[in-house]
Amino acid sequence: DIQMTQSPSSLSASVGDRVTITCRASQTIASYFLNWYQQKPGKAPNLLIYAASTLQSGVPSRFSGSGSGTEFTLTISSLQPEDFATYYCQNSYSTLGPFGQGTKLEIK
Amino acid sequence: EVQLVQSGPEVKKPGESLKISCKGSGYTFSNYWIGWVRQMPGKGLEWVGIIYPGDFDSETRYSPSFQGQVTISADKSMSTAYLQWTSLKTSDTAIYYCARRTDSGRDRLDYWGQGTLVTVSS
Repeated sequence: DIQMTQSPSSLSASVGDRVTITCRASQTIASYFLNWYQQKPGKAPNLLIYAASTLQSGVPSRFSGSGSGTEFTLTISSLQPEDFATYYCQNSYSTLGPFGQGTKLEIK
Repeated sequence: EVQLVQSGPEVKKPGESLKISCKGSGYTFSNYWIGWVRQMPGKGLEWVGIIYPGDFDSETRYSPSFQGQVTISADKSMSTAYLQWTSLKTSDTAIYYCARRTDSGRDRLDYWGQGTLVTVSS
């Protein structure tokens, strides 16, 4: 089974910072099947980016995704107060495609 | 507007049974997979299983950790998916989310329910 590992597990940053979260797959995966979700405290996850780099409708353009093969990144170009949340990557090649363990983004 | 609306919070005792629901609206329910995802307190997201309601026969797949522990079903006439337990354990305490999987070659979970908190305690 393919495993998804995110780094870092937690991150402290300030409003206005540029932040990058990395997701590594244990085997090569097609970029069509790499997704990113945001989860705010007490809320359901929300799809941010799919197919590695396509922004879901309504997601601000400060979010971007890139990568291929086994390494993918989520970048927030200028952190806003509402971006402090936990972020998960997911490999959706199979119907039960695994999630990464999450990266908690906290205010410095 | 696509919506997934889940049933309300539950408090149960160990050994009791439970069935929670996820009602879809704003799209053709039978044409999309609906998955169930568990989130234990303070932890990440993990798959329980997924169901494709279909026009005729449905198809269900379970995560190995949950095979035999839960049952996922769907009622197409009600546009509703279900997750049920016959004998709850304290370790089943978690939030359970349903989510719609869009299958387009760029597969993703594009809509999520609000979550159902299940608390199992003696």
